[in-house]
Amino acid sequence: QKEVEQDPGPLSVPEGAIVSLNCTYSNSAFQYFMWYRQYSRKGPELLMYTYSSGNKEDGRFTAQVDKSSKYISLFIRDSQPSDSATYLCAMASQTGNQFYFGTGTSLTVIP
Amino acid sequence: DAGVIQSPRHEVTEMGQEVTLRCKPISGHDYLFWYRQTMMRGLELLIYFNNNVPIDDSGMPEDRFSAKMPNASFSTLKIQPSEPRDSAVYFCASRTSGTSPETQYFGPGTRLLVL
Repeated sequence: QKEVEQDPGPLSVPEGAIVSLNCTYSNSAFQYFMWYRQYSRKGPELLMYTYSSGNKEDGRFTAQVDKSSKYISLFIRDSQPSDSATYLCAMASQTGNQFYFGTGTSLTVIP
Repeated sequence: DAGVIQSPRHEVTEMGQEVTLRCKPISGHDYLFWYRQTMMRGLELLIYFNNNVPIDDSGMPEDRFSAKMPNASFSTLKIQPSEPRDSAVYFCASRTSGTSPETQYFGPGTRLLVL
């Protein structure tokens, strides 16, 4: 079983839609939960992160962590064509240097 | 700030050839990470350095892969001999100690194709 599972999609939504991206994990030692956005032929860029559990909101983006279910989510409200990218979840334990990434979900927002 | 710099951006080589990928971390960053990204396996950590010293190389797939960091501003990832299954995008990332782990900055990657 992989450490982190992520639905690869692809996901295609109309502009303005609410997008939900999800990952599950198996390692209960994970404490850092991150979402990266990766545009085509670019490196991943950190979008959101949460330490331990709970929710975090930043503009149109909300990250949620449910440690009891080993499940994390990223919600994008009022999605824009510029949100079209691959979204990667990543997790790390308390020591923080070993990141475990999901395989990424490809999102296309149609104008 | 120039960000993490990687070279070359693209590399096409034939099976059996030696390949050397290069990385310049952000100035002042003392952690450097090498990752490999494929469609099937996603982004995987290969090795990371702290203060130029390799800390964890458990992700290095086999002895054909080696990495060095001779100084704080330069690192190489070498594959010798290369095989078609090494075709992937290789990313370098860096961060500074004393910051949270998520403050890891990725370079643009090197796309490697081994024929």
